[in-house]
Amino acid sequence: QLQLQESGPGLVKPSETLSFTCTVSGGSISNINYYWGWIRQPPGKGLEWIGSIYYSGIAYYNPSLKSRVTISVDTSKNQFSLKLSSVTAADTAVYYCARRTMTTRGEGNWFDPWGQGTLVTVSS
Amino acid sequence: DIQMTQSPSSLSASVGDRVTITCRASQSINNYFNWYQQKPGKAPKLLIYAASSLQSGVPSRFSGSGSGTDFTLTISSLQPEDFATYYCQQSYNTPPTFGQGTKVEIK
Repeated sequence: QLQLQESGPGLVKPSETLSFTCTVSGGSISNINYYWGWIRQPPGKGLEWIGSIYYSGIAYYNPSLKSRVTISVDTSKNQFSLKLSSVTAADTAVYYCARRTMTTRGEGNWFDPWGQGTLVTVSS
Repeated sequence: DIQMTQSPSSLSASVGDRVTITCRASQSINNYFNWYQQKPGKAPKLLIYAASSLQSGVPSRFSGSGSGTDFTLTISSLQPEDFATYYCQQSYNTPPTFGQGTKVEIK
């Protein structure tokens, strides 16, 4: 069964760079049918897609965050990573990684499964 | 960005009730639409994909319908484990966007 596990700091200072890694187990990150994504959720609020990456390194970002986000993949470690620069208190959130299933059958795509999530607080 | 608007934002229901949650997209998204369930302190869980396809392992009391701009999630007989927040999501355009959530509470 595929599992995803986020790892990263729980506290980041304003203006610094937030870094997370998602480790995939029970399946290969190089599977051609999937992208791998990051989604965040501020405390008590809704979900926001940050970006997704393919095993080849092709990445797509939310335009609202694009200038500050870099997502990378390491197929040798079955991991993908998120860097968000110049963080502010508004970036305080639970950060989730998830597999994004892509289809060509006219069904769109979806996120499943998700990691358990890690809360990051931006504070000095 | 495509805006997803859920209604209601919250509802109270009893075990055994039939519950319906709706989601409206700001433009047509065909059936590129998904529903998720989130329990407190947990990650979202995929319930329905492509508007009406039940994810493997999800109980059959959950069903989805709709196409275009209007979509519905129905729980035919609410169970104690179904009290949670439900989110809709479109995958028609980038960025994929989510509704604001519907919290289902115990009456």
